[in-house]
Amino acid sequence: AQSVAQPEDQVNVAEGNPLTVKCTYSVSGNPYLFWYVQYPNRGLQFLLKYITGDNLVKGSYGFEAEFNKSQTSFHLKKPSALVSDSALYFCAVRDGNYGGSQGNLIFGKGTKLSVKP
Amino acid sequence: DVKVTQSSRYLVKRTGEKVFLECVQDMDHENMFWYRQDPGLGLRLIYFSYDVKMKEKGDIPEGYSVSREKKERFSLILESASTNQTSMYLCASSLYGGPPSYEQYFGPGTRLTVT
Repeated sequence: AQSVAQPEDQVNVAEGNPLTVKCTYSVSGNPYLFWYVQYPNRGLQFLLKYITGDNLVKGSYGFEAEFNKSQTSFHLKKPSALVSDSALYFCAVRDGNYGGSQGNLIFGKGTKLSVKP
Repeated sequence: DVKVTQSSRYLVKRTGEKVFLECVQDMDHENMFWYRQDPGLGLRLIYFSYDVKMKEKGDIPEGYSVSREKKERFSLILESASTNQTSMYLCASSLYGGPPSYEQYFGPGTRLTVT
């Protein structure tokens, strides 16, 4: 069965420090991986995606993520955190073996990132 | 830019009322989705549609129905609202096709409270 896990409910970081938000997945085929961010009382905004190619993917607002096939992980990273990065972050995966109704995105439960000044 | 709009940001309804949540997208996307978001549970798929008049159940369809009469509009219906349907409801859309189209675009959400 397809699944995605975000093992940390909350991540606390000081402004200016690097941040990592973890995501691991389980699919039977090739994974298509996504990160979304949600600010309070807003919808989800797309940050970045891995479809194929380079394992290091760069996205919006200085975020990047590294696809690691052997560890089935897709951790979100930023070299220097900003207070404005504080938000809820969701990882999502789609299993490349499935099309149609079985191929929808599966979302993690979300990780709350708190960046303190 | 893709724009997905939802009819209400906040909604308060009474138990037993029929509730309509409307979603409109302006990018000619074939796929549309309704999720509910609850703390600690993430996003759960209620229903989705990949074409006009087509619908498929997601993970938690009980107590909900949907309607897609036009390509750009996808409605979520709570036939008889209950307090356990108090939640944030998110609509999304995407293109139909191969991997580059898997990305979903989300509306701002409707926070529904059923009293």
